[in-house]
Amino acid sequence: KAGVTQTPRYLIKTRGQQVTLSCSPISGHRSVSWYQQTPGQGLQFLFEYFSETQRNKGNFPGRFSGRQFSNSRSEMNVSTLELGDSALYLCASSLYLNTEAFFGQGTRLTVV
Amino acid sequence: ILNVEQSPQSLHVQEGDSTNFTCSFPSSNFYALHWYRWETAKSPEALFVMTLNGDEKKKGRISATLNTKEGYSYLYIKGSQPEDSATYLCASPGLRGNEKLTFGTGTRLTIIP
Repeated sequence: KAGVTQTPRYLIKTRGQQVTLSCSPISGHRSVSWYQQTPGQGLQFLFEYFSETQRNKGNFPGRFSGRQFSNSRSEMNVSTLELGDSALYLCASSLYLNTEAFFGQGTRLTVV
Repeated sequence: ILNVEQSPQSLHVQEGDSTNFTCSFPSSNFYALHWYRWETAKSPEALFVMTLNGDEKKKGRISATLNTKEGYSYLYIKGSQPEDSATYLCASPGLRGNEKLTFGTGTRLTIIP
């Protein structure tokens, strides 16, 4: 079956712009989580959605937001981009909350 | 805040040698412990999800043990091969599995041919 699909794979934006990243989970998976990875840092948790509800949220500013649709697809939005937002953003889907996570290939965001 | 710690941070191992590394997590109200392998230019891939004290899981040359009373898990790789080069991450979903999946910073393993 198809894996987790993230689009776009690469993105270059300028400071102050906003960006929307998309994640399509594995069919049947109801939980979607988002992570940020920057050089030298581990996976930093952004948020987790289950059945269209945000269940957990990480320690990121309000510029980072997300949502999940009825078909379990998820989007995350970052507004007023800063240079420090340059990172690899990973999405993971799982059958239920905190069961084995299946990761997408990630979106590499560069803010210039 | 849930603290998941891994050691060592990095490791260089000769091809054919066996190795192991550690993940430490809070032992109170344990729910589960995940291990993932993250190869360069790929996505993290789940290796094991462990839930029971004393659990031991195996996948090929890789195995993991779990001690929930003292809050640690070991990952073992027997007869290391170049394709084992990766970052190995452990993660815990916290109390009763209701919290976010918190990852350790990983052990970067390099196999020297």
